[in-house]
Amino acid sequence: EAGVAQSPRYKIIEKRQSVAFWCNPISGHATLYWYQQILGQGPKLLIQFQNNGVVDDSQLPKDRFSAERLKGVDSTLKIQPAKLEDSAVYLCASSLGGRTQFFGPGTRLTVL
Amino acid sequence: GIQVEQSPPDLILQEGANSTLRCNFSDSVNNLQWFHQNPWGQLINLFYIPSGTKQNGRLSATTVATERYSLLYISSSQTTDSGVYFCAVSNAGNNRKLIWGLGTSLAVNP
Repeated sequence: EAGVAQSPRYKIIEKRQSVAFWCNPISGHATLYWYQQILGQGPKLLIQFQNNGVVDDSQLPKDRFSAERLKGVDSTLKIQPAKLEDSAVYLCASSLGGRTQFFGPGTRLTVL
Repeated sequence: GIQVEQSPPDLILQEGANSTLRCNFSDSVNNLQWFHQNPWGQLINLFYIPSGTKQNGRLSATTVATERYSLLYISSSQTTDSGVYFCAVSNAGNNRKLIWGLGTSLAVNP
């Protein structure tokens, strides 16, 4: 069974530029999560999808971050414009039934 | 909301030693998971354990839900056990959103 796929693995951009991350969850997993993990901290949930509907986006900075999961399968997370404090690892996870979460390898974003 | 505290924050072991990591939480939960984040950043789910005891090889976990804590046991530690161990919990009140502890950073020396 293939795991959660993410791309790119690394991205370096300058502040005020835009960036997009892609995630493909484990086949059949209805729930998809995007997390932000800053060095030395635990992951922070940005947004949770159930199929193609948003369940929780209370911690998503909506003035600059957006996410979509149009067909209820893969998802993209976008940042526009990026700020220095957005430097972090962006993790995608999926689950079947909202219990055990399986994580992708993450995208390490550096904003200069 | 739920508070999650993990201890110790840092741990250094010699290969072959045993260790116990603790997770305390401030409210009843219906979901508790232990994760290992390796030095390359990959998060691996170790246990889904809202109550009871489970074992997987050298690792085992026990959650005493009535007393609001969980323990992760690592026996005969290996250098590959190094990394950060996170406890994450949720309950029906927060839409099953996982609340994460700050983790225990483990270094196993050869």
